[in-house]
Amino acid sequence: DGGITQSPKYLFRKEGQNVTLSCEQNLNHDAMYWYRQDPGQGLRLIYYSQIVNDFQKGDIAEGYSVSREKKESFPLTVTSAQKNPTAFYLCASSIGPLYNQPQHFGDGTRLSIL
Amino acid sequence: SQQGEEDPQALSIQEGENATMNCSYKTSINNLQWYRQNSGRGLVHLILIRSNEREKHSGRLRVTLDTSKKSSSLLITASRAADTASYFCATDASKNTGFQKLVFGTGTRLLVSP
Repeated sequence: DGGITQSPKYLFRKEGQNVTLSCEQNLNHDAMYWYRQDPGQGLRLIYYSQIVNDFQKGDIAEGYSVSREKKESFPLTVTSAQKNPTAFYLCASSIGPLYNQPQHFGDGTRLSIL
Repeated sequence: SQQGEEDPQALSIQEGENATMNCSYKTSINNLQWYRQNSGRGLVHLILIRSNEREKHSGRLRVTLDTSKKSSSLLITASRAADTASYFCATDASKNTGFQKLVFGTGTRLLVSP
């Protein structure tokens, strides 16, 4: 079945530590996205990528970094510069950088501070 | 910034009743999308309605869009306990960027009791 796989489901970060969240899709989608969701809130865009080897900052990129070396993969690193990393992180993809397309989501990674 | 605002924030109904939730937004849009999120899971796309459309149906779901009032509504008919979830509207207001950027509202939490 085609879909988006995020791992791990739960992740704990120590002070000063960088952690990387994995996102893999087998939908052959060009565009991929990372969102952050805080309790009782909507989603906020962290980074997005329209094609391989290209990515752009979203609304809350500070303290995060990404790479897009393969079409299928769009990992997110939460760096020690992100002072409030506790949140639910969602990865999504869509067919391409076109209007009027739905986004497909993974099941998220919940990140907490130790 | 969050463009979509859902109303009500929470809704509790009995099985078999209809559920209506509303979304208001601020700027002109290419399309508006509705998503469902079960607790602790990713978002699932429900319906996309384009700016030149006024109504769309999908099974028990009916979405309307009034661009003059910058508002949309999602109606779930004959609700079931399995419809219990949070529902988010997302607007695509991308302009000449060649990229679809969705802005999510804060969601409506729907509880359907047996």
